[in-house]
Formats: sequence, C-alpha cells, structure tokens
Amino acid sequence: AQSVTQLDSQVPVFEEAPVELRCNYSSSVSVYLFWYVQYPNQGLQLLLKYLSGSTLVKGINGFEAEFNKSQTSFHLRKPSVHISDTAEYFCAVRRTPGAGSYQLTFGKGTKLSVIP
Amino acid sequence: DAGVTQSPTHLIKTRGQQVTLRCSPKSGHDTVSWYQQALGQGPQFIFQYYEEEERQRGNFPDRFSGHQFPNYSSELNVNALLLGDSALYLCASNFLRASTDTQYFGPGTRLTVL
Repeated sequence: AQSVTQLDSQVPVFEEAPVELRCNYSSSVSVYLFWYVQYPNQGLQLLLKYLSGSTLVKGINGFEAEFNKSQTSFHLRKPSVHISDTAEYFCAVRRTPGAGSYQLTFGKGTKLSVIP
Repeated sequence: DAGVTQSPTHLIKTRGQQVTLRCSPKSGHDTVSWYQQALGQGPQFIFQYYEEEERQRGNFPDRFSGHQFPNYSSELNVNALLLGDSALYLCASNFLRASTDTQYFGPGTRLTVL
C-alpha cells in the first residue's frame, strides 16, 4: 500500500515571498506523483505531475516540484506567491502501470494562506 | 471541451435515507472514480468503474454502491445514511488505456446528513 504525508497542515506566507510545501510518500512499488490544488468550495485541479524522466517538474501558475527518490519526497515550490494562490494543496501518489491499482492516494492537505 | 460535471451541487438528507449522486466524465474519458473528502481531510478512494463494471474498491462498506452507464456517466448510491457520510463527494475521470493519463476531477457534491 502507498501512503502520503504532508508535513505542514498550514503554511502562512507573505505575498511575493517564496514557498515550499512538503510531501513525503511511502510505497513498495514505483509510483507516479501529483500535486492538486483545491480552491474554496471547488473540486481539485491538477497543478503538476511526475511520471518519469527529469526530476524537476514544472506546472501551472508558476509552481514546480522536485522528485527525490532517495528521500521519497516530492516538494512543491513557488518562487513568488500571489494572493490568488491561497488554497489547499494536496499531494497524491498512484502506482505505475503494471503495478496494479490506478487509484490515487492523497495526503491530508496543506492550507496555504498568502498574507498581503 | 466540457470537463467533469457532477450533480447536484449540494444535498441535505437525514439519517437512514438513501442518496444518488451523478457524474459525467470529461469528453473522451471512459473511466470514472469516486472519492469521499471529509472536512479537513484529503480525498479517500471509494471505487472505480470501467466498462460498466466496478474494477477497484477502497475501504468503504457495501452501503456505497455505484453504476456506470454505456455513455460512461456514473452514479454513486449510498444507503442507510449515517452522520459520518457527510462529506464532499468527488468524481474523477480518465482514459484507462492511456496508462499515464491523469484523473480530472469534477467540482463535487456536498452531502450533509442531519
């Protein structure tokens, strides 16, 4: 089975400051990794995903994440946040094809609050 | 290109009642998954439907059941509602044969059980 740990439940940050949201995962098989964002009273929107290849992945809205296999981490970063980035962010994993289940396993989420 | 749609947006039921939630997948997608998101938690996988059959199931009781129609749309049914079933129910779709395909989520149905 897979599990995802998001190390911070809440992260306050000033506007235009950099931010890092941390995600660690555990799995006995190879996985794909995802970050989703959820704005208030909305569903989930895909920010970025790591499938294979380059460990630095760029996504929408200026976000990027780095896959670190040895540390089993997939931290999300943005060099300069905007008020509109205030939302909840979810890290998720899924087994790679051939390894069975296609279901997503999510972390508990990190609430990012951008302070003006 | 229409994304994943869900209905209704909100629903209020009482304990013991039954509820049906509906989902239409993104155009071109053939697989639908359902997730339950309790307040303050990440989504939890309920089950996945492909070719009108339940293919995978998470750790949810039999009170949770589903259906997929020939047009790939899906329903989630919950019987004998409990207070703990209050949550946001999310539907996600993808194209199964594209093994790297991403699940795209709908806006969710907020279920409140009183």
